[in-house]
Amino acid sequence: EAQVTQNPRYLITVTGKKLTVTCSQNMNHEYMSWYRQDPGLGLRQIYYSMNVEVTDKGDVPEGYKVSRKEKRNFPLILESPSPNQTSLYFCASSLGRGAYEQYFGPGTRLTVT
Amino acid sequence: EDQVTQSPEALRLQEGESSSLNCSYTVSGLRGLFWYRQDPGKGPEFLFTLYSAGEEKEKERLKATLTKKESFLHITAPKPEDSATYLCAVQAGSSGYSTLTFGKGTMLLVSP
Repeated sequence: EAQVTQNPRYLITVTGKKLTVTCSQNMNHEYMSWYRQDPGLGLRQIYYSMNVEVTDKGDVPEGYKVSRKEKRNFPLILESPSPNQTSLYFCASSLGRGAYEQYFGPGTRLTVT
Repeated sequence: EDQVTQSPEALRLQEGESSSLNCSYTVSGLRGLFWYRQDPGKGPEFLFTLYSAGEEKEKERLKATLTKKESFLHITAPKPEDSATYLCAVQAGSSGYSTLTFGKGTMLLVSP
């Protein structure tokens, strides 16, 4: 089954404790992206990657890091999480840089206390 | 800056009561307009892509249309299972890569 998977699905952590949210897709998609979704603000892009070893900032990259060492994986790293990073996070993938639909993962609900 | 505005913010319908959701956009060089459905706590699910004014696409009770300034998602004879938040997104730019800009969504509730 074609899908985007994320882990963990739920995470409660404390300020400053480094964490990684994994994302994997099995569709051989070139493009992958991370979004956060907050009430009243909608979906906002954090980082995206157009291919292996190619990443770029989205609209809200502060406080986040990403890497793309393999085509299928695109982890999101919070090196020193803060309470304002409490949010619902989604990973997405698509065929490429054109106007292709994005397929979203199930989401990771992160709470930073 | 690309802007996407969806209206209404919330819509309550009776089962079978048809209606339309609106997505107005301001972009420079539209490459594609996307509609997604999102259930609470879940990832958005792709519905349609529209590329140019005049284009229409249908899927079951849903029909999406596109003009140069807005898109409509028409829901015909909705059922309770159509209850969800519907998101509109645009991808713009004449060349290279451009990010998706999402609207804030319309929350649809269909009562039996």
